[in-house]
Amino acid sequence: GAVVSQHPSWVICKSGTSVKIECRSLDFQATTMFWYRQFPKQSLMLMATSNEGSKATYEQGVEKDKFLINHASLTLSTLTVTSAHPEDSSFYICSARQTSGSSYEQYFGPGTRLTVT
Amino acid sequence: AQSVAQPEDQVNVAEGNPLTVKCTYSVSGNPYLFWYVQYPNRGLQFLLKYITGDNLVKGSYGFEAEFNKSQTSFHLKKPSALVSDSALYFCAVRDTGTYKYIFGTGTRLKVLA
Repeated sequence: GAVVSQHPSWVICKSGTSVKIECRSLDFQATTMFWYRQFPKQSLMLMATSNEGSKATYEQGVEKDKFLINHASLTLSTLTVTSAHPEDSSFYICSARQTSGSSYEQYFGPGTRLTVT
Repeated sequence: AQSVAQPEDQVNVAEGNPLTVKCTYSVSGNPYLFWYVQYPNRGLQFLLKYITGDNLVKGSYGFEAEFNKSQTSFHLKKPSALVSDSALYFCAVRDTGTYKYIFGTGTRLKVLA
């Protein structure tokens, strides 16, 4: 149980276009999901906290108009990178926290590799 | 502010030898501590966690970690390393108020055949 999927697993887009990444909790409901960004050989940096039915909370320094987050249901959060630039190329990982049961554990998705050309 | 530190960028160990990956933490209140492993171009895989109880926590793939409150450490250990253990290891602490995870900088483990 407690599986989180991400789609796509990798994507290449042209500079100036937008790309959407999906994060799904497959077998549990997640009121809260988190989006992380990981640069090569670096740690995960939390970008934002996604709450079902309300606006996302962004970490300091993260542009909310560039990284649009929507958490429309208890099993799906999306991250849209708008007007992508090469510096947005990164590995994006989401995680989900179960609505019920243990409240302290997050389950991580497999990640999405974004390359902006 | 809560934080974790992984003082070693890389750890090399011979196959069959015991391994230790170090982590120290700084939290207010009781710590919720985690270890994850990441293989290239993959997400994080959960290894183990400490919430409360026994200081020695056993996890997946033969890994264990020892919680030491006086030294504020949570080192990851394995009695006998495998080449397949070579990966990037992250220590994390959960913020008690927001459920956010704060990750260490990661330690690359290289197990030599």
